[in-house]
Amino acid sequence: EAQVTQNPRYLITVTGKKLTVTCSQNMNHEYMSWYRQDPGLGLRQIYYSMNVEVTDKGDVPEGYKVSRKEKRNFPLILESPSPNQTSLYFCASSWDRGRDTGTEAFFGQGTRLTVV
Amino acid sequence: SQQGEEDPQALSIQEGENATMNCSYKTSINNLQWYRQNSGRGLVHLILIRSNEREKHSGRLRVTLDTSKKSSSLLITASRAADTASYFCATVDNYGQNFVFGPGTRLSVLP
Repeated sequence: EAQVTQNPRYLITVTGKKLTVTCSQNMNHEYMSWYRQDPGLGLRQIYYSMNVEVTDKGDVPEGYKVSRKEKRNFPLILESPSPNQTSLYFCASSWDRGRDTGTEAFFGQGTRLTVV
Repeated sequence: SQQGEEDPQALSIQEGENATMNCSYKTSINNLQWYRQNSGRGLVHLILIRSNEREKHSGRLRVTLDTSKKSSSLLITASRAADTASYFCATVDNYGQNFVFGPGTRLSVLP
């Protein structure tokens, strides 16, 4: 089954304790991205990657890191989490950036992160 | 750098009625997509309309696109309680790099 898998689904952590949210897709997609969703603000893009070893900042990259060492995996790293990073996070993948072929984005089920 | 803006923010209707949501965007696009999100879960792709298309249908969904007005609408006919969800439009941003989502429309279909 084609899917994007995020882990963990729920996470409560303390300020400053490094954490990683994993994302994996089994569709051989080139394009992957991370979003955070906050009430009233919709989905805001954190980082995206157009292929292995190619990553770039989205709209709200501060406080986050990503890596793309393999095509299928795109982990999100919070080196020193702060309470303002409490949010619902989504990973998504698609064939490309959606401009030329207009392919759909597949989303993971989300990770609800609370930083206390 | 939000590209899409949905309207209304929230919509409440009775089962069997039609629901219409609108999306406006700011720059030229190649395509526009609509997604659905059940509470707290991942977004699911519903339908894509290309810039050279004016209308598209998929089951009970009808999407229109007016590139001169930079707007799109999503119509759900004969709504069901199971259609209760948030609906988002997505476009590719100015740099052609990313999907950009609007804040969404929360649809409540009352039985």
